[in-house]
Amino acid sequence: DAGVIQSPRHEVTEMGQEVTLRCKPISGHNSLFWYRQTMMRGLELLIYFNNNVPIDDSGMPEDRFSAKMPNASFSTLKIQPSEPRDSAVYFCACVASGGSGELFFGEGSRLTVL
Amino acid sequence: GDSVTQMEGPVTLSEEAFLTINCTYTATGYPSLFWYVQYPGEGLQLLLKATKADDKGSNKGFEATYRKETTSFHLEKGSVQVSDSAVYFCALMWPGGGADGLTFGKGTHLIIQP
Repeated sequence: DAGVIQSPRHEVTEMGQEVTLRCKPISGHNSLFWYRQTMMRGLELLIYFNNNVPIDDSGMPEDRFSAKMPNASFSTLKIQPSEPRDSAVYFCACVASGGSGELFFGEGSRLTVL
Repeated sequence: GDSVTQMEGPVTLSEEAFLTINCTYTATGYPSLFWYVQYPGEGLQLLLKATKADDKGSNKGFEATYRKETTSFHLEKGSVQVSDSAVYFCALMWPGGGADGLTFGKGTHLIIQP
């Protein structure tokens, strides 16, 4: 298995532009998480899905952020419009139900908003 | 609610030194406990885990014992290497709890000097 696949690995954009981050979870893992990591705030949970349904989006910072999971093998996190304070590394992670609870993380998408 | 407290870093040690990174938790009951490691430029990955009291998790020379009497899960290694330089996260999870049952500590940055 290729693990959790995220794209792009790096993105540099200008303030006001739309950013879309993508995630392909491990097949059969039915819970998916989006995290944001910064030096100042550490690791923050933004949203998580269970069986493609958003369960808790209380961590999404603003209406500029939205996430979708149209099917079990794909999720997106969109920022529109982007701002410099959105610069961070965004991680996607998944876990299998009934498993040990181990989270499998992607390698992250490093976003820089100028 | 549940919480995980880790010693703040950075922790700087010389190669071959003994390592302890403290982790204590607050929870009602007995969750599963995890240590994750994040190497530079990568996502988090599971280092070791323990699912019940008095269990010892071990991997790559690291160990941690689930102590319910002190609600602790301290990470130890007898002789660290430069390649152990990374950020270490302690976490607890309730099996089947999804993100509601998952709590990460803030992470401890470990620096090993040759």
